[in-house]
Amino acid sequence: RKEVEQDPGPFNVPEGATVAFNCTYSNSASQSFFWYRQDCRKEPKLLMSVYSSGNEDGRFTAQLNRASQYISLLIRDSKLSDSATYLCVASSGTYKYIFGTGTRLKVLA
Amino acid sequence: EAEVAQSPRYKITEKSQAVAFWCDPISGHATLYWYRQILGQGPELLVQFQDESVVDDSQLPKDRFSAERLKGVDSTLKIQPAELGDSAMYLCASSRGEGTEAFFGQGTRLTVV
Repeated sequence: RKEVEQDPGPFNVPEGATVAFNCTYSNSASQSFFWYRQDCRKEPKLLMSVYSSGNEDGRFTAQLNRASQYISLLIRDSKLSDSATYLCVASSGTYKYIFGTGTRLKVLA
Repeated sequence: EAEVAQSPRYKITEKSQAVAFWCDPISGHATLYWYRQILGQGPELLVQFQDESVVDDSQLPKDRFSAERLKGVDSTLKIQPAELGDSAMYLCASSRGEGTEAFFGQGTRLTVV
């Protein structure tokens, strides 16, 4: 079993829709969590950190559920430009910074 | 805005040849990561440095791959000999330290022919 797992998708949604992704992690020692966005053939870019109290940045909201060991990313009012792969990261106290496989999002006009 | 620098951007090499990638992290970042990413998959951690020390190289194929960060600043990842299956994007990232956000360079796209 992979340490960090994501549904690969693709999630095909119309413009303006709300879409949510989950990411599960197996290492209960994981302490820090992040979401990245990656465009095709580009490097991952940090989207947001995930705090215990949740985190919101404009149309994006990230949540952490420690009891069930997952993090989530909610995108409201999807734009065409949101089409990308979304990668989650779980980082443990032993420095490891482990990525999930990514979830592809396609926003359709 | 500070960036992670990587070179070369693209590299084509024949199998059995040696190839090297270079990474210069953001100034002051103690932690440096090398990842390999195959198209359609997430980045796979190859090696992680804290300053000049390796803290995790459990996924590094040590028979052919080596990595160093001699002065705790820039780093080199080497493959010798390269194999066809090594074709991938090699990404370098850096962070201030444990549990903090990592930032990526543009990567080196390696094609082994």
